[in-house]
Amino acid sequence: AQSVTQLGSHVSVSEGALVLLRCNYSSSVPPYLFWYVQYPNQGLQLLLKYTTGATLVKGINGFEAEFKKSETSFHLTKPSAHMSDAAEYFCASRAGAGNNRKLIWGLGTSLAVNP
Amino acid sequence: EAGVAQSPRYKIIEKRQSVAFWCNPISGHATLYWYQQILGQGPKLLIQFQNNGVVDDSQLPKDRFSAERLKGVDSTLKIQPAKLEDSAVYLCASSFVAGAVDTGELFFGEGSRLTVL
Repeated sequence: AQSVTQLGSHVSVSEGALVLLRCNYSSSVPPYLFWYVQYPNQGLQLLLKYTTGATLVKGINGFEAEFKKSETSFHLTKPSAHMSDAAEYFCASRAGAGNNRKLIWGLGTSLAVNP
Repeated sequence: EAGVAQSPRYKIIEKRQSVAFWCNPISGHATLYWYQQILGQGPKLLIQFQNNGVVDDSQLPKDRFSAERLKGVDSTLKIQPAKLEDSAVYLCASSFVAGAVDTGELFFGEGSRLTVL
C-alpha cells in the first residue's frame, strides 16, 4: 500500500540557515510526488511536483526537492530560510499517471524560522 | 484566473445542529475534492467528484455528511447533525484533467473553519 512519512513534525531553523524537510514514500509503482505549503489560516498551495524526467525539481520561493528512487525519498530543501517560510509543509504521493489516483498525504511538518 | 472560492470562512454551531459549506472550483476543472483537516493533521479526503459523479466517498461519514455537485460545477458539503469531533477546517480543491491524464495537482480554496460547541 502507498504511504508517505514525513520525519519530524516540527522543524526550527534560524533565518538564513538551510531548510531540510524530509519525506519518504512507499509505492509499488513509480510515484508522482508533491510538496504543498500551508500558511496560517489559508489553504494549501503547491510548492513543486515530480512526475517524470529530471529528478531535481525546482519550485516556487526558492525551494527544490530531489527524487531519489534508491532511498524512496523526496526531501525538500531551501538554501537560506526566510521568516516568510514559516508554515506547515505537506508531502504527498500518488500512484503515477491515470485519472482518479488517490493522493496520499503525510502528516505535515511545521517549520519555524527564528530571527 | 480566479481561484477556488469557499464560503463561509468561519462557522460556529452547537452540536446536533446542521451546517453547509459551498465551493466553486476553478473554471474548467472537472475534478472537485472535499477534504477535512483537523488541527495538527494532514488533509483527509472526504469525497471526490469527477464532473457531477462521485469517484471516491469511502471516507465520508454518510450517516451525517452529504455532498453534491449537481451541475458539475459548484458543490455543497452538508453536516447534519454535527458532532464535537467535526470541528475542523473543510478544504475544497479542484484539479484539471488534460486529455486522459490528471497530473494530480490540486488547487485549494482557503477553507471553511467549523467549530462545534
